[in-house]
Amino acid sequence: ETGVTQSPTHLIKTRGQQVTLRCSSQSGHNTVSWYQQALGQGPQFIFQYYREEENGRGNFPPRFSGLQFPNYSSELNVNALELDDSALYLCASSFRLAGGPSTDTQYFGPGTRLTVL
Amino acid sequence: AQSVTQLGSHVSVSEGALVLLRCNYSSSVPPYLFWYVQYPNQGLQLLLKYTSAATLVKGINGFEAEFKKSETSFHLTKPSAHMSDAAEYFCAVSFFSGGYNKLIFGAGTRLAVHP
Repeated sequence: ETGVTQSPTHLIKTRGQQVTLRCSSQSGHNTVSWYQQALGQGPQFIFQYYREEENGRGNFPPRFSGLQFPNYSSELNVNALELDDSALYLCASSFRLAGGPSTDTQYFGPGTRLTVL
Repeated sequence: AQSVTQLGSHVSVSEGALVLLRCNYSSSVPPYLFWYVQYPNQGLQLLLKYTSAATLVKGINGFEAEFKKSETSFHLTKPSAHMSDAAEYFCAVSFFSGGYNKLIFGAGTRLAVHP
């Protein structure tokens, strides 16, 4: 069983730039969630994707966007980067039965450390 | 609305001593509760979960947690700490809405284990 993988491991950008982070879900999982973990804090929910659509979103501005692909992998895009976007970005995958909410456990990848200068 | 409070941002124990990490939750519906561990510069690893079955939940690495509805608590314990247990521990509650679910995390407790 392949776990959740994320790329890249580390990334350095400057203010105003755009960034794309990638996530491959665990085999058998069809739902992907993204979280932002600022230094010294717990992770904060950004959004969740199921069947290639965003089906839930946290308190993040529209410059945070995402995609999910037919193979259930996912991307997180952040436009117009700000210094406060510096954080560890975590991807988590889970399984959702058709017609029901994703109640299964979320399994996390190793994260991407984004530094905005 | 769901929320999680972890009491004590830092806990220090001696090797071989009892580990007790506190978590209290707030939820308007029966909760799903989780403990995750995060080692330095790594992602989150699931330790254990409560999903309305047995109230005493056993996890990996000798950890366990007990769900106490009357106290709205889900404290994590381990009888004997090992040096390798030094890490950040997060308690989380699952929030369901409109067909999706998200995890709401506490602020975390950093566990230090000294010889």
